[in-house]
Amino acid sequence: DAGVIQSPRHEVTEMGQEVTLRCKPISGHDYLFWYRQTMMRGLELLIYFNNNVPIDDSGMPEDRFSAKMPNASFSTLKIQPSEPRDSAVYFCASSFHGGESYEQYFGPGTRLTVT
Amino acid sequence: GDSVTQMEGPVTLSEEAFLTINCTYTATGYPSLFWYVQYPGEGLQLLLKATKADDKGSNKGFEATYRKETTSFHLEKGSVQVSDSAVYFCALSARGYQKVTFGTGTKLQVIP
Repeated sequence: DAGVIQSPRHEVTEMGQEVTLRCKPISGHDYLFWYRQTMMRGLELLIYFNNNVPIDDSGMPEDRFSAKMPNASFSTLKIQPSEPRDSAVYFCASSFHGGESYEQYFGPGTRLTVT
Repeated sequence: GDSVTQMEGPVTLSEEAFLTINCTYTATGYPSLFWYVQYPGEGLQLLLKATKADDKGSNKGFEATYRKETTSFHLEKGSVQVSDSAVYFCALSARGYQKVTFGTGTKLQVIP
């Protein structure tokens, strides 16, 4: 299996621009998570989906952030307009509802820099 | 709510030294417990897990035992290598829930 795939790996944009991050989960996994990692705040859960339906978006920082999952193999996280404080590494992770535990499998992350 | 507390880093050790990273948790019921590792520039990878009390998870020479009486899941390795330098995250998931609660991470640096 190719694992969780994220694109782009690096994104540099100017303040005010729209940014779209992409994620392809592991085939057969029915949960998808978006996280943000910064030095100051550590690893934060932004939103997660089950069978393409958003379950909990309480971690989304504000209305500038939105996430979609149009099908089982694709999800996007959009920031519009972007601000310098959005600079972080964004991770996508997926998991399968089965077995004893629900370990998550992480993608390599997208490093976002907003200038 | 559920929480995970792990020791502050960074931890600096010489190669072949013994490693312990402490982790304690608060959760209702019997959660599953995990250690994840993050190498520089990469995402988190599952290192080991344990799903019930007294289980021992192990992988790549690392071990951790699920201790319900002390609500702990300390990570140990008998002889660390430079390649073990990374950030280690303790985590839990409550039974029946997909969300994983992560600790703040402990950075390990191993020097030759």
